Amino acid sequence: EAQVTQNPRYLITVTGKKLTVTCSQNMNHEYMSWYRQDPGLGLRQIYYSMNVEVTDKGDVPEGYKVSRKEKRNFPLILESPSPNQTSLYFCASSSPGTTAYGYTFGSGTRLTVV
Amino acid sequence: AQSVTQLDSQVPVFEEAPVELRCNYSSSVSVYLFWYVQYPNQGLQLLLKYLSGSTLVESINGFEAEFNKSQTSFHLRKPSVHISDTAEYFCAVSDRGGANNLFFGTGTRLTVIP
Repeated sequence: EAQVTQNPRYLITVTGKKLTVTCSQNMNHEYMSWYRQDPGLGLRQIYYSMNVEVTDKGDVPEGYKVSRKEKRNFPLILESPSPNQTSLYFCASSSPGTTAYGYTFGSGTRLTVV
Repeated sequence: AQSVTQLDSQVPVFEEAPVELRCNYSSSVSVYLFWYVQYPNQGLQLLLKYLSGSTLVESINGFEAEFNKSQTSFHLRKPSVHISDTAEYFCAVSDRGGANNLFFGTGTRLTVIP
């Protein structure tokens, strides 16, 4: 089944403790992206990657890091989480070279930083 | 840069009544347009998309949206809603330049009342 898999689904952590949210897709998509969803703000892009070793900042990159060493994986790293990073996070992928367009989204990771 | 405006944050409607969810966008370039749906505690699913061709696009569950270039709108409509349509709906825009980068509106929560 074609899908984007995020782990974990739920995470509660303390301020300053480094964490990684994993994202993996099995569709051989070139393009991957991380979004955060907050009430009243919709989805805002954190980082995106157009291919292996190619990443760029989205609208709200502060406090986050990403890497794209393999085509299928795009982990989101919070080196020193803070309470304002409490949010619902989504990973997504797509393949610009096809007529399909539109993203395939993961199921989300609900992060709480206390 | 693109931006998307969803003027209605919440839309309550009685079952079997028609509904319209409004979406306006701004962009200096040609765009692709999307509607995504998020059911409670789930990720986002692509509902329908406009890439080119006919300005009226339809989904498999009875929703339709019409691209209006002069009004820069992409409103979502359904002639008769069902309880199962209760969800949050996001309009999104991507420029045709190839980055396939999606910009989302803030969402409209549709609540269908029995």
